[in-house]
Amino acid sequence: ELKVEQNPLFLSMQEGKNYTIYCNYSTTSDRLYWYRQDPGKSLESLFVLLSNGAVKQEGRLMASLDTKARLSTLHITAAVHDLSATYFCAVRYGNQFYFGTGTSLTVIP
Amino acid sequence: DSGVTQTPKHLITATGQRVTLRCSPRSGDLSVYWYQQSLDQGLQFLIQYYNGEERAKGNILERFSAQQFPDLHSELNLSSLELGDSALYFCASSVQMLDTQYFGPGTRLTVL
Repeated sequence: ELKVEQNPLFLSMQEGKNYTIYCNYSTTSDRLYWYRQDPGKSLESLFVLLSNGAVKQEGRLMASLDTKARLSTLHITAAVHDLSATYFCAVRYGNQFYFGTGTSLTVIP
Repeated sequence: DSGVTQTPKHLITATGQRVTLRCSPRSGDLSVYWYQQSLDQGLQFLIQYYNGEERAKGNILERFSAQQFPDLHSELNLSSLELGDSALYFCASSVQMLDTQYFGPGTRLTVL
């Protein structure tokens, strides 16, 4: 079974700062997803990364994928309070989807 | 609003009972996915349907079953419910099988 590890599990950062969330997975996969979940809400798709070296950016969030290292990163630039949420990565393997444990991000004014 | 609807929003039932959760995908989406989210197990993929056919099965218990109907809505049936089945159940849909998934608001199931 594929394992997906995210770190850190909890992240408290000040507004305006940069930080990176890491997502490691144990077996080769051809597709990696990033989601955001606000407290008590559903999941919102952020990025789908398809190939080695893929980089996608939306606003203050940038995701990248290194399939050789089995690593994806979600970089937050100049954090704002609205980014406070839990972020999940998920990996597709053998037609199934495996989620990381999530990173709970709190942005402090 | 993702365009995916789920009913009911909340469901409280007793152990041993059977419930049905319903999902209507976004207009035009052919693929439907079911997920379970709980504090101890995190997010778990249960099952996927594409245009009425089962395409992938994850950690779905034998007590659980699902189907996708000709109008593309889907139902997840949970039977012989146990306390540990209490969780949020999400449905998601996508146009094709591996596309971006759009999640519904979820059904919160409480088994007493």
